[in-house]
Formats: sequence, C-alpha cells, structure tokens
Amino acid sequence: DAGITQSPRHKVTETGTPVTLRCHQTENHRYMYWYRQDPGHGLRLIHYSYGVKDTDKGEVSDGYSVSRSKTEDFLLTLESATSSQTSVYFCAISGRGSVSNEQYFGPGTRLTVT
Amino acid sequence: AQRVTQPEKLLSVFKGAPVELKCNYSYSGSPELFWYVQYSRQRLQLLLRHISRESIKGFTADLNKGETSFHLKKPFAQEEDSAMYYCALSYAGNNRKLIWGLGTSLAVNP
Repeated sequence: DAGITQSPRHKVTETGTPVTLRCHQTENHRYMYWYRQDPGHGLRLIHYSYGVKDTDKGEVSDGYSVSRSKTEDFLLTLESATSSQTSVYFCAISGRGSVSNEQYFGPGTRLTVT
Repeated sequence: AQRVTQPEKLLSVFKGAPVELKCNYSYSGSPELFWYVQYSRQRLQLLLRHISRESIKGFTADLNKGETSFHLKKPFAQEEDSAMYYCALSYAGNNRKLIWGLGTSLAVNP
C-alpha cells in the first residue's frame, strides 16, 4: 500500500469547529495530494504539494488549508467545518523514482459534520 | 480543456460475460492514461497504466489516440470484479496531477 496512512480514519465533528486530517508517507515521494470523494462527483482535488512548504490549490479549495513542513506529512485543515464538507477524504502520493505520473492512495478518512 | 469522460455510471453484467468500461479523453498532446479500481469502502488502487501494456486480473486496456479512448476490457467477468472503476489522465508539466473521470460502477451478477 505504498506506505501511506491517514489519521483519523473516522471523525464526527460539529459545524463550526476546526478539523485537521493527517497524511503520512514513508516512501519519500515528492508530491502529495488531498482529494474528497462524493457520490456523483467522483474525486475532486482540494490541494496538493510539490515539495516541502510548496503547496497549491486544487479545484475545490475553498474552506480548506494545507501545510507540509516535512516530506512525510501533509496536513489538511478545515478551518470551520460545514455540513457540505461531510465526505470521504483521500490522500495520494506520487513521484519517487518513477517516470510515470501514477498516484498511490491512502485508506481514506470518513468525516461527518453534524 | 483536458477532460476524461466515462459515459456509463453503472454497468451490470452476468458472471462469465465480457465487460468493457469506456473511457474517452480530450487532450491534444501525448497523455498518460490510467485505470484505478476501488472496492467497497476501500482505497483506490492502480489497476493499469497504458505505458506498461500489461494485463492485471485479466483486465487490459489499449490507448487509441485516433479515437482518444482508453477502454478497459475483460473477456470473462467475475463477481469479485464488482467495484468502482475510474479512468484518469495525466500530462507533462502538470505537477503529476491526474484528471479524473466520474467513475463507472461495475456490478457482476451471479
């Protein structure tokens, strides 16, 4: 599973509270991505990182922020959770020693905002 | 704009029947195409990449640049093939980002 984990795996939180999801990799991949997966919408990119301290927005970045202070960890923060952010969040990694742009995925975090 | 289209949201076949999941893309250059599979409530797994021209779990996919397609095929479907399948496209200079189709849910009935 490409040495990628996510924590927590499940979380229930209340509207208006901040939430931080963690993605951890042990494979020294340069690129890391946060997606959300919703029925009918497939996978949508929230933010991504192309190196330590280098991040950029994806297509659905409003209400989310990210940080990457070291290669292994990529944090996704919901600044003030809303019910529309109830979703399954996946982290993915790419880039180590491969000419292919394939991505490898974490197990996902199921977030419910009540 | 670059786009990946999977025209079928749901595909239902019987065990032992051939299956073809369609993927069409729009990109004028040389893309890299992938198929990912997601079994119920699990992580996405890379199934095939077009540059490898390999067969995984009996699945094959051929890149047709003329028709801009990358259809996934299997001659004899098995019940364990029931899953969500996503087609994705990548191209150079895009920070290894993938452009995703919306997915096709494959149901293989006994």
